[in-house]
Amino acid sequence: RKEVEQDPGPFNVPEGATVAFNCTYSNSASQSFFWYRQDCRKEPKLLMSVYSSGNEDGRFTAQLNRASQYISLLIRDSKLSDSATYLCVVNIRASASKIIFGSGTRLSIRP
Amino acid sequence: DTEVTQTPKHLVMGMTNKKSLKCEQHMGHRAMYWYKQKAKKPPELMFVYSYEKLSINESVPSRFSPECPNSSLLNLHLHALQPEDSALYLCASSQDQEGRSLHFGNGTRLTVT
Repeated sequence: RKEVEQDPGPFNVPEGATVAFNCTYSNSASQSFFWYRQDCRKEPKLLMSVYSSGNEDGRFTAQLNRASQYISLLIRDSKLSDSATYLCVVNIRASASKIIFGSGTRLSIRP
Repeated sequence: DTEVTQTPKHLVMGMTNKKSLKCEQHMGHRAMYWYKQKAKKPPELMFVYSYEKLSINESVPSRFSPECPNSSLLNLHLHALQPEDSALYLCASSQDQEGRSLHFGNGTRLTVT
């Protein structure tokens, strides 16, 4: 089983739609969770950290479910500029900074 | 603008060459990372330095040799690479071992001929 798994997509949705991504992780001792965004031929950029209580940043909401070992990202009122690959990132061993990326989910927003 | 600076941006090298990739950050971050990314794949962790000590080596072949001269600098020495090593090499740094404030450099696009 992969350490961090995501649905690869692609997701192709109209502008204004709500879209959700899920990600599962295998190590129950994982400590830190993040969503990153990567545009074509660019480096990954932090979208948001994921906190135990869930957190929201504008149109983006992240949730963590430790019991089921998954995290989610919800994007509301999607914009054309949201088209990118979204990467689930987990620190599976905090004592040694073992930060692992999921395979990424490709999102395309159409007008 | 990225706060993690990588040089060179592009590198073409033959299989018998020796070259080095360089990474620098001045954010006072205490963990630094090398990742390798192939096209349409996620970044794969190679090495982690924590407080200037190598803490993770993900079974990377010895033709890749990391070095952390000080808390701001991270190098990746390359020797006798193979064409399949062609990829984007990303350096990153984080505030601490939990991975907070993980910042990536723009990467070095490496081609091995």
